[in-house]
Amino acid sequence: DVKVTQSSRYLVKRTGEKVFLECVQDMDHENMFWYRQDPGLGLRLIYFSYDVKMKEKGDIPEGYSVSREKKERFSLILESASTNQTSMYLCASRGQGSYAYTFGSGTRLTVV
Amino acid sequence: KNEVEQSPQNLTAQEGEFITINCSYSVGISALHWLQQHPGGGIVSLFMLSSGKKKHGRLIATINIQEKHSSLHITASHPRDSAVYICAVRFDGTASKLTFGTGTRLQVTL
Repeated sequence: DVKVTQSSRYLVKRTGEKVFLECVQDMDHENMFWYRQDPGLGLRLIYFSYDVKMKEKGDIPEGYSVSREKKERFSLILESASTNQTSMYLCASRGQGSYAYTFGSGTRLTVV
Repeated sequence: KNEVEQSPQNLTAQEGEFITINCSYSVGISALHWLQQHPGGGIVSLFMLSSGKKKHGRLIATINIQEKHSSLHITASHPRDSAVYICAVRFDGTASKLTFGTGTRLQVTL
């Protein structure tokens, strides 16, 4: 069964901490995405990557960075966590030339 | 502006009822997705449509390109169908980007 795995389901971090959210896919997909989901706003795209070491800003990249050193792994980094980054974070992947997305189970991050 | 609107926001139904969730979008699309999100957060892709109709078990998805509208139907609803249903579209010319509706929260009671 194809999978997108996010390393943590729940995470609590302190304001100012550097936070890493990891996402790994086993489908050899070129495209990977990070979204955040907030009540009443739907999913919003933070960053995406279409190849190793390539990245593109989404709609809300401020306060975030990403890393894609290997094809299967896409990391989201909160350089200095703030309380307004408390949210559900979802990773997804998609193969080149395909319209089909596979989502991870999500990481619920709370910044205190 | 590229927008996706879903209705209703919340829906309560009794087991066995026929359910319809609607999605409207503002401009031309290359694909529309229906997604299901259970409590706990994980999202499962139910359908991907660019035209016509698709059926999987008790779920049916339709799309009318001219009217810029899609519907998700659930026949003979069951409590295990309780979830948030999300419409997402890939607007023409937006490459890899999906635009999401805010979701419809469905609760099916016994």
